[in-house]
Amino acid sequence: GDSVTQMEGPVTLSEEAFLTINCTYTATGYPSLFWYVQYPGEGLQLLLKATKADDKGSNKGFEATYRKETTSFHLEKGSVQVSDSAVYFCALSDKGQGAQKLVFGQGTRLTINP
Amino acid sequence: EAGVAQSPRYKIIEKRQSVAFWCNPISGHATLYWYQQILGQGPKLLIQFQNNGVVDDSQLPKDRFSAERLKGVDSTLKIQPAKLEDSAVYLCASSSQIGTDGYTFGSGTRLTVV
Repeated sequence: GDSVTQMEGPVTLSEEAFLTINCTYTATGYPSLFWYVQYPGEGLQLLLKATKADDKGSNKGFEATYRKETTSFHLEKGSVQVSDSAVYFCALSDKGQGAQKLVFGQGTRLTINP
Repeated sequence: EAGVAQSPRYKIIEKRQSVAFWCNPISGHATLYWYQQILGQGPKLLIQFQNNGVVDDSQLPKDRFSAERLKGVDSTLKIQPAKLEDSAVYLCASSSQIGTDGYTFGSGTRLTVV
């Protein structure tokens, strides 16, 4: 079945450092890809998405490009802030499946130190 | 607009007891989802409703879990009897259509089974 594999955490960086969180996927169809973020004590929030190959999703300085050839959707940010500390989830939704459910990776906890 | 409301926020029960969680989706959202998020893992879909009908319950442990969405609005998820491995955060989400573009998650109910 469909699956998502994320970079193992936790990840700890200093403020203004460059961030990459790796995500690869396995899907039978042509999925849409997502990054969700979960701040402490809050629900999951959609950070960005891409619906087809070579699309780039971006939001709040974060970017991720849908790479069909490498089945990847790595999350990047050029300069992280303390407020970016959260758990990040990569997810896919396979358009071929009628229910359109989200399949999540295991999450990567990011801590940014001042 | 108001978000997805869930209650209670926390619940501690002994194994073999029963428990129920409540979710009120965003007004007008036809699709409602219940996800289970075990510590250190990504959320996993338990059940999806479209209005008051079940679209996907393939990963719902039906011997102990049940869910209903009477009148196609709010929903309850019940566990009876609970097991230790049911300790998790139970997330409710809603969307305005079958698809993930409009997903909004609630803050979740954290269940601890002792």
